[in-house]
Amino acid sequence: NAGVTQTPKFQVLKTGQSMTLQCAQDMNHNSMYWYRQDPGMGLRLIYYSASEGTTDKGEVPNGYNVSRLNKREFSLRLESAAPSQTSVYFCASRWGGLEPQHFGDGTRLSIL
Amino acid sequence: DQQVKQNSPSLSVQEGRISILNCDYTNSMFDYFLWYKKYPAEGPTFLISISSIKDKNEDGRFTVFLNKSAKHLSLHIVPSQPGDSAVYFCAASLRDDKIIFGKGTRLHILP
Repeated sequence: NAGVTQTPKFQVLKTGQSMTLQCAQDMNHNSMYWYRQDPGMGLRLIYYSASEGTTDKGEVPNGYNVSRLNKREFSLRLESAAPSQTSVYFCASRWGGLEPQHFGDGTRLSIL
Repeated sequence: DQQVKQNSPSLSVQEGRISILNCDYTNSMFDYFLWYKKYPAEGPTFLISISSIKDKNEDGRFTVFLNKSAKHLSLHIVPSQPGDSAVYFCAASLRDDKIIFGKGTRLHILP
């Protein structure tokens, strides 16, 4: 039972490079989320998708794009990476309503 | 503007005593509140939640209290155990599925 799977687990990029972070869930959840975690800043919502075919901006969407490829997969793309995007990125999913999120183990991204 | 606030970055509690973690929110449209626990190098894991129509929810050693008039919720852990040492995040949900987290409180359980 994999739950929420994020790939890759670690990545180092140079400024200006592009990168797609992958997330897949096997729980048939409707909603999926991308967060970033920075020291002293908690978890900040980047984008979310309440259902297949819809995406909405969160608190810090600038510099990112997302794709809800199907019900299982929700990818996060950095078109031109910047050092300020160095962070740990977490993907989460849930049924919706009054159900909690399930998180992946994170992708540690460093941009030089 | 921060909608979910955890004003204590860290808290130290003696083993066996009660741990109380606090959270304040500003948006009265939040209808569901959650607490998550996070260990280093792992994703957050769900602990306990409460709907806005309730004022208390209990699950074993964990109890969450909600005071809607004060826009305040708290997590009580009784008794505190060494394995409870972690970062605790408060989160709040809107009807459109948007879920916002606080900055977290690091709990240290002292032997």
